[in-house]
Amino acid sequence: DQQVKQNSPSLSVQEGRISILNCDYTNSMFDYFLWYKKYPAEGPTFLISISSIKDKNEDGRFTVFLNKSAKHLSLHIVPSQPGDSAVYFCAASESDGYNTDKLIFGTGTRLQVFP
Amino acid sequence: ETGVTQTPRHLVMGMTNKKSLKCEQHLGHNAMYWYKQSAKKPLELMFVYNFKEQTENNSVPSRFSPECPNSSHLFLHLHTLQPEDSALYLCASSQEPSGRVETQYFGPGTRLLVL
Repeated sequence: DQQVKQNSPSLSVQEGRISILNCDYTNSMFDYFLWYKKYPAEGPTFLISISSIKDKNEDGRFTVFLNKSAKHLSLHIVPSQPGDSAVYFCAASESDGYNTDKLIFGTGTRLQVFP
Repeated sequence: ETGVTQTPRHLVMGMTNKKSLKCEQHLGHNAMYWYKQSAKKPLELMFVYNFKEQTENNSVPSRFSPECPNSSHLFLHLHTLQPEDSALYLCASSQEPSGRVETQYFGPGTRLLVL
């Protein structure tokens, strides 16, 4: 049973618009959440994270929102750019993100940003 | 070479073959990881090495045998694999195993096909 779920395998957005990628989790012990970005033929790279003590974290065009009661987080990219086209993985960990052994990933959402 | 490199990038092997995957990190890190990503499944942690010592074996079958001769190199020896072992195998490294999870840097992966 997957503890981290990304129910949308793909998303297509026009350049300049907002991209919203969603992630749900089931384990209430998770207290640190991350988004990774993966281009073809490359490994995932860290994008942004959020601790459970916050409900929002912003870094430039990227904002992650956390709704603990709904066990849901989302990644907003605005404005979307063609270079954002990639697979985005949601991940969660326990122990406030300090226990690297407990990193649990979702299946990923492929984002395509078209002109 | 910089970052985390993996060889080979693609591998096709029969069920009776023995092969090895290699990972090398040029970041001065002291923790290394093997992950497996099967089609339409989440990224799964397989093994963790801290300072060349294995600290995590995530219930991986014995047909996968890791080796970490030093903190810069990590191998995954494969023997008598099954077709369901076909997947993308990702290596990662981090400065401190106790550090925040986003400090893991991933290699590009080896795509393995078992016939």
